[in-house]
Amino acid sequence: GEDVEQSLFLSVREGDSSVINCTYTDSSSTYLYWYKQEPGAGLQLLTYIFSNMDMKQDQRLTVLLNKKDKHLSLRIADTQTGDSAIYFCAERGLTFGKGTMLLVSP
Amino acid sequence: DVKVTQSSRYLVKRTGEKVFLECVQDMDHENMFWYRQDPGLGLRLIYFSYDVKMKEKGDIPEGYSVSREKKERFSLILESASTNQTSMYLCASSLTGDSYGYTFGSGTRLTVV
Repeated sequence: GEDVEQSLFLSVREGDSSVINCTYTDSSSTYLYWYKQEPGAGLQLLTYIFSNMDMKQDQRLTVLLNKKDKHLSLRIADTQTGDSAIYFCAERGLTFGKGTMLLVSP
Repeated sequence: DVKVTQSSRYLVKRTGEKVFLECVQDMDHENMFWYRQDPGLGLRLIYFSYDVKMKEKGDIPEGYSVSREKKERFSLILESASTNQTSMYLCASSLTGDSYGYTFGSGTRLTVV
Protein backbone atom coordinates (compact mmCIF):
# COMPACT_ATOMS: atom_id res chain seq x y z
CA GLY A 1 0.00 0.00 0.00
CA GLU A 2 0.91 3.63 -0.03
CA ASP A 3 3.56 4.76 2.40
CA VAL A 4 5.12 8.08 3.34
CA GLU A 5 8.42 8.19 5.20
CA GLN A 6 9.98 11.09 7.08
CA SER A 7 12.86 11.51 9.46
CA LEU A 8 11.52 11.93 12.98
CA PHE A 9 13.56 14.80 14.35
CA LEU A 10 15.50 17.87 13.23
CA SER A 11 17.25 20.43 15.39
CA VAL A 12 18.52 23.77 14.04
CA ARG A 13 19.61 27.14 15.37
CA GLU A 14 17.55 30.26 14.88
CA GLY A 15 18.42 31.95 11.60
CA ASP A 16 19.63 28.75 9.92
CA SER A 17 17.77 27.02 7.11
CA SER A 18 15.83 23.84 7.87
CA VAL A 19 15.27 21.06 5.37
CA ILE A 20 12.70 18.39 6.09
CA ASN A 21 12.66 15.40 3.76
CA CYS A 22 9.94 12.97 2.76
CA THR A 23 9.68 9.97 0.46
CA TYR A 24 6.44 8.56 -0.86
CA THR A 25 5.37 5.53 -2.85
CA ASP A 26 2.18 6.43 -4.70
CA SER A 27 3.29 7.67 -8.11
CA SER A 28 -0.27 8.63 -9.00
CA SER A 29 -0.39 11.38 -6.37
CA THR A 30 -1.60 14.55 -8.05
CA TYR A 31 -0.76 16.82 -5.16
CA LEU A 32 1.63 16.52 -2.25
CA TYR A 33 1.17 18.50 0.93
CA TRP A 34 3.04 19.84 3.91
CA TYR A 35 1.20 20.41 7.19
CA LYS A 36 2.37 22.00 10.43
CA GLN A 37 1.18 20.98 13.89
CA GLU A 38 1.93 23.20 16.85
CA PRO A 39 1.74 21.71 20.38
CA GLY A 40 -1.80 20.82 21.43
CA ALA A 41 -3.30 21.87 18.10
CA GLY A 42 -4.62 20.26 14.94
CA LEU A 43 -2.75 20.25 11.64
CA GLN A 44 -2.54 23.37 9.54
CA LEU A 45 -1.99 23.19 5.78
CA LEU A 46 1.29 24.99 5.03
CA THR A 47 1.69 24.48 1.33
CA TYR A 48 1.23 21.99 -1.45
CA ILE A 49 2.81 21.22 -4.79
CA PHE A 50 1.25 19.87 -7.95
CA SER A 51 2.96 16.76 -9.26
CA ASN A 52 4.01 18.36 -12.55
CA MET A 53 6.04 21.02 -10.73
CA ASP A 54 9.64 20.74 -9.54
CA MET A 55 9.61 23.62 -7.13
CA LYS A 56 7.25 25.97 -5.38
CA GLN A 57 8.26 28.97 -3.31
CA ASP A 58 6.05 30.75 -0.81
CA GLN A 59 7.83 33.42 1.25
CA ARG A 60 10.26 31.53 3.54
CA LEU A 61 9.06 28.12 2.36
CA THR A 62 10.46 26.25 -0.64
CA VAL A 63 9.08 22.88 -1.70
CA LEU A 64 11.17 20.69 -3.99
CA LEU A 65 9.75 17.65 -5.73
CA ASN A 66 11.79 14.93 -7.40
CA LYS A 67 9.08 12.83 -8.99
CA LYS A 68 11.52 10.27 -10.38
CA ASP A 69 12.86 9.47 -6.90
CA LYS A 70 9.50 10.17 -5.21
CA HIS A 71 11.23 12.60 -2.88
CA LEU A 72 9.71 15.74 -1.46
CA SER A 73 11.44 18.34 0.70
CA LEU A 74 10.42 21.43 2.62
CA ARG A 75 13.01 24.14 3.16
CA ILE A 76 12.36 26.86 5.71
CA ALA A 77 14.67 29.85 5.31
CA ASP A 78 15.73 31.95 8.31
CA THR A 79 14.14 29.50 10.74
CA GLN A 80 12.54 31.13 13.79
CA THR A 81 11.67 29.70 17.22
CA GLY A 82 8.01 29.99 16.21
CA ASP A 83 8.69 27.42 13.50
CA SER A 84 9.22 24.75 16.17
CA ALA A 85 6.48 22.21 15.48
CA ILE A 86 5.82 18.83 13.91
CA TYR A 87 5.75 18.85 10.11
CA PHE A 88 3.80 16.25 8.18
CA CYS A 89 4.20 15.27 4.58
CA ALA A 90 1.04 13.86 2.92
CA GLU A 91 0.10 12.45 -0.43
CA ARG A 92 -3.41 12.58 -1.88
CA GLY A 93 -4.59 13.65 1.55
CA LEU A 94 -5.19 10.16 2.86
CA THR A 95 -1.67 9.05 3.72
CA PHE A 96 0.46 11.03 6.14
CA GLY A 97 4.03 10.53 7.23
CA LYS A 98 4.74 10.08 10.93
CA GLY A 99 5.87 13.68 11.19
CA THR A 100 9.20 15.42 11.69
CA MET A 101 9.64 17.32 14.94
CA LEU A 102 11.55 20.53 14.24
CA LEU A 103 13.21 22.10 17.26
CA VAL A 104 14.64 25.59 16.80
CA SER A 105 17.01 26.80 19.47
CA PRO A 106 17.90 30.47 20.07
CA ASP B 1 -13.15 32.31 9.23
CA VAL B 2 -13.88 28.78 8.08
CA LYS B 3 -13.41 26.07 10.58
CA VAL B 4 -13.71 22.50 11.71
CA THR B 5 -15.01 22.26 15.26
CA GLN B 6 -14.59 19.25 17.50
CA SER B 7 -17.02 19.28 20.38
CA SER B 8 -14.62 18.43 23.18
CA ARG B 9 -10.97 19.29 23.70
CA TYR B 10 -10.45 16.80 26.52
CA LEU B 11 -12.56 13.78 27.43
CA VAL B 12 -12.20 11.11 30.11
CA LYS B 13 -14.33 7.98 29.82
CA ARG B 14 -14.52 4.63 31.55
CA THR B 15 -13.74 1.29 29.94
CA GLY B 16 -16.85 -0.16 28.30
CA GLU B 17 -18.63 3.17 27.86
CA LYS B 18 -20.07 4.18 24.49
CA VAL B 19 -18.30 7.36 23.40
CA PHE B 20 -19.37 9.90 20.79
CA LEU B 21 -16.88 12.34 19.28
CA GLU B 22 -18.53 15.08 17.25
CA CYS B 23 -17.11 17.09 14.40
CA VAL B 24 -18.82 19.95 12.56
CA GLN B 25 -17.54 21.95 9.58
CA ASP B 26 -19.00 25.14 8.17
CA MET B 27 -17.33 25.08 4.76
CA ASP B 28 -19.86 22.93 2.86
CA HIS B 29 -17.11 20.34 2.33
CA GLU B 30 -18.11 17.00 0.85
CA ASN B 31 -15.36 14.97 2.48
CA MET B 32 -14.79 14.36 6.16
CA PHE B 33 -12.22 12.22 7.95
CA TRP B 34 -11.38 10.87 11.38
CA TYR B 35 -7.77 10.16 12.38
CA ARG B 36 -6.10 9.15 15.58
CA GLN B 37 -2.65 10.42 16.42
CA ASP B 38 -0.28 8.50 18.69
CA PRO B 39 3.39 9.18 19.48
CA GLY B 40 5.68 7.42 17.03
CA LEU B 41 2.77 6.30 14.85
CA GLY B 42 1.75 9.57 13.24
CA LEU B 43 -1.79 9.97 11.92
CA ARG B 44 -3.79 6.86 11.16
CA LEU B 45 -7.04 7.04 9.25
CA ILE B 46 -10.02 5.47 11.03
CA TYR B 47 -12.96 6.28 8.76
CA PHE B 48 -13.84 8.77 6.08
CA SER B 49 -16.92 9.91 4.24
CA TYR B 50 -17.36 11.39 0.77
CA ASP B 51 -21.03 12.19 1.11
CA VAL B 52 -23.96 12.20 3.46
CA LYS B 53 -24.85 8.72 4.75
CA MET B 54 -21.74 7.34 3.09
CA LYS B 55 -18.72 5.93 4.93
CA GLU B 56 -15.54 4.10 4.09
CA LYS B 57 -13.16 2.24 6.39
CA GLY B 58 -9.69 3.60 6.77
CA ASP B 59 -6.61 1.78 8.01
CA ILE B 60 -7.77 1.07 11.59
CA PRO B 61 -11.58 0.91 11.76
CA GLU B 62 -11.81 -1.87 14.36
CA GLY B 63 -13.63 -0.78 17.50
CA TYR B 64 -15.05 2.33 15.84
CA SER B 65 -18.07 3.30 13.80
CA VAL B 66 -19.18 6.59 12.24
CA SER B 67 -22.31 8.45 11.37
CA ARG B 68 -22.90 11.16 8.77
CA GLU B 69 -26.56 12.13 8.72
CA LYS B 70 -25.91 15.72 7.65
CA LYS B 71 -23.24 17.12 5.37
CA GLU B 72 -21.69 19.31 8.04
CA ARG B 73 -21.46 16.73 10.82
CA PHE B 74 -19.35 13.58 11.10
CA SER B 75 -19.49 11.59 14.33
CA LEU B 76 -17.02 8.99 15.52
CA ILE B 77 -18.42 6.34 17.85
CA LEU B 78 -16.46 4.08 20.15
CA GLU B 79 -18.93 1.27 20.75
CA SER B 80 -17.24 0.02 23.94
CA ALA B 81 -14.25 2.15 24.90
CA SER B 82 -11.02 0.40 25.79
CA THR B 83 -7.79 1.71 27.25
CA ASN B 84 -5.96 1.19 23.95
CA GLN B 85 -8.27 3.78 22.43
CA THR B 86 -6.71 6.47 24.58
CA SER B 87 -5.40 8.86 21.96
CA MET B 88 -5.67 12.24 20.25
CA TYR B 89 -8.51 12.18 17.72
CA LEU B 90 -8.40 14.59 14.80
CA CYS B 91 -11.25 15.40 12.45
CA ALA B 92 -10.64 16.93 9.01
CA SER B 93 -12.67 18.00 6.02
CA SER B 94 -11.96 18.84 2.40
CA LEU B 95 -13.56 19.70 -0.89
CA THR B 96 -13.59 17.04 -3.56
CA GLY B 97 -10.39 17.03 -5.60
CA ASP B 98 -6.85 16.81 -4.35
CA SER B 99 -5.81 20.40 -4.66
CA TYR B 100 -7.46 21.89 -1.65
CA GLY B 101 -5.80 19.95 1.13
CA TYR B 102 -7.51 19.34 4.43
CA THR B 103 -8.76 21.61 7.16
CA PHE B 104 -8.28 20.06 10.59
CA GLY B 105 -10.04 20.55 13.88
CA SER B 106 -8.06 21.20 17.05
CA GLY B 107 -8.36 17.61 18.22
CA THR B 108 -9.97 15.73 21.11
CA ARG B 109 -7.66 14.18 23.67
CA LEU B 110 -9.54 11.07 24.86
CA THR B 111 -8.42 9.17 27.92
CA VAL B 112 -10.08 5.83 28.70
CA VAL B 113 -9.60 4.68 32.29
